[in-house]
Amino acid sequence: AQSVTQLDSHVSVSEGTPVLLRCNYSSSYSPSLFWYVQHPNKGLQLLLKYTSAATLVKGINGFEAEFKKSETSFHLTKPSAHMSDAAEYFCVVSPTGANNLFFGTGTRLTVIP
Amino acid sequence: DTAVSQTPKYLVTQMGNDKSIKCEQNLGHDTMYWYKQDSKKFLKIMFSYNNKELIINETVPNRFSPKSPDKAHLNLHINSLELGDSAVYFCASSETPGPYYEQYFGPGTRLTVT
Repeated sequence: AQSVTQLDSHVSVSEGTPVLLRCNYSSSYSPSLFWYVQHPNKGLQLLLKYTSAATLVKGINGFEAEFKKSETSFHLTKPSAHMSDAAEYFCVVSPTGANNLFFGTGTRLTVIP
Repeated sequence: DTAVSQTPKYLVTQMGNDKSIKCEQNLGHDTMYWYKQDSKKFLKIMFSYNNKELIINETVPNRFSPKSPDKAHLNLHINSLELGDSAVYFCASSETPGPYYEQYFGPGTRLTVT
């Protein structure tokens, strides 16, 4: 079975400080992993994806994530938060050979000026 | 030139009614999806079509019936609406099925059943 656990439902950071959004997954085989962002009243946008290439994945807007198989983690980071980063972030897993995505419960990021 | 569009954006209706949500993508993608996002922001896939054929059908009440007249459109019809159907419904598309292809999401349709 596959599942995704986002360890924090809400993260609050000051503008200019680092961002860390944590995600752990369980999957029977080597999965594909994604981070999507949802700004208020908007659809979801892909930030980055891991599909068994380099374990450190760079995405849009300065975000990156590292796939750690030994820890079954795929944490999302950004060195310096911007006000426009305030949004809901979803960690997503897709098992090998699957067509569908399994979403985590989301982490709401608040950026304090 | 919106990539994935949905209509309507908001839908308020009473229990027992039948309603439809429409989705169109102009990306030339073969695969389209419907997701439901509940009040706790949890997103779950409902259906997926590839070239007008159903490929994913999760455990969804049969009051929900997707229809794909062509590969650019995937509509969702809901019969006998219930309070628990209140949610935001997202349409998405991808070039082809499978996890390696980015899914592009529409802006969502917020359905409220009273």
